[in-house]
Amino acid sequence: DGGITQSPKYLFRKEGQNVTLSCEQNLNHDAMYWYRQDPGQGLRLIYYSQIVNDFQKGDIAEGYSVSREKKESFPLTVTSAQKNPTAFYLCASRKTHEETQYFGPGTRLLVL
Amino acid sequence: KQEVTQIPAALSVPEGENLVLNCSFTDSAIYNLQWFRQDPGKGLTSLLLIQSSQREQTSGRLNASLDKSSGRSTLYIAASQPGDSATYLCAVHRGDRGSTLGRLYFGRGTQLTVWP
Repeated sequence: DGGITQSPKYLFRKEGQNVTLSCEQNLNHDAMYWYRQDPGQGLRLIYYSQIVNDFQKGDIAEGYSVSREKKESFPLTVTSAQKNPTAFYLCASRKTHEETQYFGPGTRLLVL
Repeated sequence: KQEVTQIPAALSVPEGENLVLNCSFTDSAIYNLQWFRQDPGKGLTSLLLIQSSQREQTSGRLNASLDKSSGRSTLYIAASQPGDSATYLCAVHRGDRGSTLGRLYFGRGTQLTVWP
């Protein structure tokens, strides 16, 4: 059963804490993306990666970090430097030379 | 920078009506435009993708048109049903200078409610 999985579905962060959101895909896609969605807002790009061990900042990368050690995985860390992390986080992937992005089910991050 | 606007922000209609959702974008140098559906608390599902060289795409009761020169797209939903209730997002796809990695620019969406 191919697709993109994100975990956990809900995540609670305490002040000053770093948390990591998981994104895994078994679609053999090269490119992966992280978006943030706030209520009533469109998706904003945080980071993206075209190949393993390479990634670029999107429009709102401050306070976030990523890694791409494996093709299947693109975890996002929300650091303590991100002062307003409460949002819905969506991961997506795309096959090179194809144009459709496929999205995971999302992780909702809440601050305690 | 590409700006994508969707009108209306919300729409509530009785079952059976034909609907038009609007999307406009500021930079006409796009590769394609996609319409997505998002159910509450869920990820996005791609509905239709229109290449920049195309004028429209159809899938079942959905028809999307693209006028690149004027920076506009419309999503037409025929004979709406309660199951169509969701948020519909428009996104334009363009390549960044010096990179083969296309990126999507999203509108804020139209929240559609179809009541029985």
